[in-house]
Amino acid sequence: QKEVEQDPGPLSVPEGAIVSLNCTYSNSAFQYFMWYRQYSRKGPELLMYTYSSGNKEDGRFTAQVDKSSKYISLFIRDSQPSDSATYLCAANDYKLSFGAGTTVTVRA
Amino acid sequence: SQTIHQWPATLVQPVGSPLSLECTVEGTSNPNLYWYRQAAGRGLQLLFYSVGIGQISSEVPQNLSASRPQDRQFILSSKKLLLSDSGFYLCAWSTRGSGIETQYFGPGTRLLVL
Repeated sequence: QKEVEQDPGPLSVPEGAIVSLNCTYSNSAFQYFMWYRQYSRKGPELLMYTYSSGNKEDGRFTAQVDKSSKYISLFIRDSQPSDSATYLCAANDYKLSFGAGTTVTVRA
Repeated sequence: SQTIHQWPATLVQPVGSPLSLECTVEGTSNPNLYWYRQAAGRGLQLLFYSVGIGQISSEVPQNLSASRPQDRQFILSSKKLLLSDSGFYLCAWSTRGSGIETQYFGPGTRLLVL
């Protein structure tokens, strides 16, 4: 069993919709949780990270962590075609463990 | 600001040929360095990581090896490529000793073994 599980999708939404992405994890030692965005044929780029449980907002992006249920979420409000990418969740104790990534397409 | 370079961007190699992929980091000192392989739909697989010159840890036994001849240089090698070595290879760095292990990725090398 992978330490971080993520539904690979794909997910297709119309422009302006809210995109909801989720991951679950099994390692209770994880303290930091990250979301990366990866455009086709490019390296992943860090979107945002959170420490322990709680919410973090950055513009149209909101990351949530619920340690009691071992659940990680990313919400994208007012989605744009430029948000079309693969989104990877990650968590770390002494090394990063990645989810498989969810491919998102925002239709104009 | 920090930047990370990888080359080549794309590589097509015959089975049995050697491989050398290079990664360099600018704008930081003493980084942790990582090599990942990404297969379609399978996420990122950590291959090697290094906390210093000459210090290499292997996560997965395989046909590949890594070396760190300089502080900001990380090389991925193979003596004889296999078909299964095809994939997207990513180098990443993180700041050593930070409480949060946030990694920053390079642009990647797409390798096709024929």
